[in-house]
Amino acid sequence: QQQVKQSPQSLIVQKGGISIINCAYENTAFDYFPWYQQFPGKGPALLIAIRPDVSEKKEGRFTISFNKSAKQFSLHIMDSQPGDSATYFCAAGGNTGTASKLTFGTGTRLQVTL
Amino acid sequence: GAVVSQHPSRVICKSGTSVKIECRSLDFQATTMFWYRQFPKKSLMLMATSNEGSKATYEQGVEKDKFLINHASLTLSTLTVTSAHPEDSSFYICSARGPGSGANVLTFGAGSRLTVL
Repeated sequence: QQQVKQSPQSLIVQKGGISIINCAYENTAFDYFPWYQQFPGKGPALLIAIRPDVSEKKEGRFTISFNKSAKQFSLHIMDSQPGDSATYFCAAGGNTGTASKLTFGTGTRLQVTL
Repeated sequence: GAVVSQHPSRVICKSGTSVKIECRSLDFQATTMFWYRQFPKKSLMLMATSNEGSKATYEQGVEKDKFLINHASLTLSTLTVTSAHPEDSSFYICSARGPGSGANVLTFGAGSRLTVL
């Protein structure tokens, strides 16, 4: 119930391409879905987040697509750049009970090549 | 924006000694802070939830006597790894949730890499 499944584990994309990372959850109490970016040796930084009242949120080159009925959400990075090379974690959380703590996906190591 | 400072960023200690890691919210008051442990190329594992003025809540399998957490003020939480052993070597990360933020809107510190010799 608490798991957030993330795929792929690793991803190689050419510069200028689109990077897509997918996550799926089970707990219907989750109502907050953030994505974090982590560079080696650093803490995670919030990239973008969505709540289930919208199906898509875009901030610059980063877009979250959210499918409430399928309990899935994804991160799209448009025009991927070498500086985007990092590990990306999806997460899910809610306001009550066991959902009140963020549950993280297993991470996706993105490498953007020249 | 909200900033969380974590110190030290790296620490090396001898086996059997104790190490304290500090987590400070610099520009906001954090009623709740979280401590995570991250192994290489792995996800974040929640260790405990630290609440200002009360005892920390530990996740299942985390030894509370091994990992002492103190949240004495609204801007500071500390994690003390007691009698450290090589298997405690890891990357420890804190995050803070401030009043007024959504329940799960967290700001993370930069992490502390602990190496126990």
